[in-house]
Amino acid sequence: EVLLVESGGGLIQPGGSLRLACAASGFPFSTYAMNWVRQTPGKRLEWVATISGSGGHTYYADSVKGRFTISRDTSRNTLFLLMDSLRAEDTAVYYCAKPLVPAPLRSLASWGQGTLVTVSS
Amino acid sequence: EIVLTQSPATLSLSPGERATLSCRASQSIDSYLAWYQQRPGQAPRLLIYDASNRATGIPARFSGTGSGTDFTLTISSLEPEDFAVYFCQQRSNWPLTFGGGTTVEIK
Repeated sequence: EVLLVESGGGLIQPGGSLRLACAASGFPFSTYAMNWVRQTPGKRLEWVATISGSGGHTYYADSVKGRFTISRDTSRNTLFLLMDSLRAEDTAVYYCAKPLVPAPLRSLASWGQGTLVTVSS
Repeated sequence: EIVLTQSPATLSLSPGERATLSCRASQSIDSYLAWYQQRPGQAPRLLIYDASNRATGIPARFSGTGSGTDFTLTISSLEPEDFAVYFCQQRSNWPLTFGGGTTVEIK
């Protein structure tokens, strides 16, 4: 069974940094591209970033490019999202998501339970 | 960026009725469209991928059709657990984008 468990969310001041983690199990983690998707307080879903299975290719939404960094540690089966220069509009529930097949740019078959990030002073 | 527009925003129906949800893309996305269901307090769940393929474990009452710019999700006979929010998502081009959602509520 695929299991994705996010952690690291919390309340952070504007301009601050936060690192999210997603512990993965139940599938060959190193072969799958992985994604971060967020859901705003208004319930809109927004794709944030994708990393290839090897970690050699990364893709970002324009709204986070240059501020967020997606990475992975295949030895620990863990996905990360380092978020710098946080803004109020980054407030959201952040989900990690596994695609249906190992490649990037795919439908998202498995999701974690999400971790809430609140950016506020 | 490909914009996905879902309609209606809210659908009020009774159990047993048929639900028809629409998703329109701002440009052709071939058949690269997925549908997700989200129940309150839960993460989205993949229902349909590549326009018409049911994901593992999804009941046959859910079906998807369409290609190009116009897509439809049909729930043939609503069960109580189907009252939820539904999102479409395209994977034709970066960035991945989602529609704004359709809420299927109990009439």
